[in-house]
Amino acid sequence: QKEVEQNSGPLSVPEGAIASLNCTYSDRVSQSFFWYRQYSGKSPELIMSIYSNGDKEDGRFTAQLNKASQYVSLLIRDSQPSDSATYLCALPSGNTPLVFGKGTRLSVIA
Amino acid sequence: DAGVIQSPRHEVTEMGQEVTLRCKPISGHDYLFWYRQTMMRGLELLIYFNNNVPIDDSGMPEDRFSAKMPNASFSTLKIQPSEPRDSAVYFCASSSGQGVNTQYFGPGTRLTVL
Repeated sequence: QKEVEQNSGPLSVPEGAIASLNCTYSDRVSQSFFWYRQYSGKSPELIMSIYSNGDKEDGRFTAQLNKASQYVSLLIRDSQPSDSATYLCALPSGNTPLVFGKGTRLSVIA
Repeated sequence: DAGVIQSPRHEVTEMGQEVTLRCKPISGHDYLFWYRQTMMRGLELLIYFNNNVPIDDSGMPEDRFSAKMPNASFSTLKIQPSEPRDSAVYFCASSSGQGVNTQYFGPGTRLTVL
């Protein structure tokens, strides 16, 4: 199993809907998890981090973590066309500060 | 405040040529990372530095790749000789010790090796 796995998509949702992006990881000792957003042709930028089991909310974004299931997700409420991007899940692994998944491409249809 | 600066933004070269990519991290950041992104392999860490010292270069694909950080404000990634399979977007990122996982990425260099 790869260290960080994401469905590549594309995930298409209508404007105003909830977009759900999922990520699974193999390193059981991971303690911190990050979501980066990358617009087409641009560089990644950090949008959320989560360290404890449960939910963490920031505006329209909610990160969810389940360490027992080795699963982290990102929910985007009231999706907007401007949310269309690739979302990268990342976490530390060994000596590497961040290992990135390949990302899920989200398309929000107006 | 300026973010991470990379140059050139685009590079087209022929197989066998030497390529040098440059990066200026955010002032005050003591970690610097070099990544490569392709559709097939995603975003891969090549090497990272802490206080100008290489910490982990296990991601460097082969001896054709080398990276240096002569001072806190400048780093280079060199490919010699370049091959078509090196075509990718190369990102430089920096972070501070207080938040090593909060990495700020430069705009990237799109490298095409013909």
